[in-house]
Amino acid sequence: QITLKESGPTLVKPTQTLTLTCSFSGFSLTTTGVGVGWIRQPPGKALEWLALIYWDDDKRYSPSLQSRLTITKDTSKNQVVLTMTNMDPVDTATYYCAHRLSSGWFDYWGQGTLVTVSS
Amino acid sequence: AIQLTQSPSSLSASVGDRVTITCRASQGISSALAWYQQKPGKAPKVLIYDASSLESGVPSRFSGSGSGTDFTLTISSLQPEDFATYYCQQFNSYPTFGQGTRLEIK
Repeated sequence: QITLKESGPTLVKPTQTLTLTCSFSGFSLTTTGVGVGWIRQPPGKALEWLALIYWDDDKRYSPSLQSRLTITKDTSKNQVVLTMTNMDPVDTATYYCAHRLSSGWFDYWGQGTLVTVSS
Repeated sequence: AIQLTQSPSSLSASVGDRVTITCRASQGISSALAWYQQKPGKAPKVLIYDASSLESGVPSRFSGSGSGTDFTLTISSLQPEDFATYYCQQFNSYPTFGQGTRLEIK
């Protein structure tokens, strides 16, 4: 059974760096073809993909946010960490992590964590 | 970036209705498309992948079709639990999502 769960601060101040952790079980990020992605959703708005990391440490980022994002993995802890620098109120959103095979769709999602950016 | 445009943005329908949602890609993506259902306060759930393959456990009243740039999600007979927001997502290149279609009870 695959499960994922996001954790991190619920409130960050503008210009601060956000660090989110995705803890997962039921799969390994050392298995060929496996990836974990981050997707966010501002309140009342659409989903937006942020970043992906694969079993071979290949990393992909949204072109519009690439300069602000870093994704890493810790296979011993079954965790993926996303950092986003220079947070702004427009980054207020629910942040999800999700399991993805190299085939391309996100088949298992975490419950999401709401991050509010406000002074 | 490959853009996905869904239509309509919102839709009112009744239980038992047949409903179709469309998703148009800004360039050809073969069959690299998935459909998700999202209910308020919940994570998206995949319904269809590879444009027309039904995810395990998803009711057969959901179906997908299309290839290239034009895709559809059809619900053959709406059930009360189907009222939700639906998103398409392409995975031909880095992932992008459509803007969503909100399906409401008439």
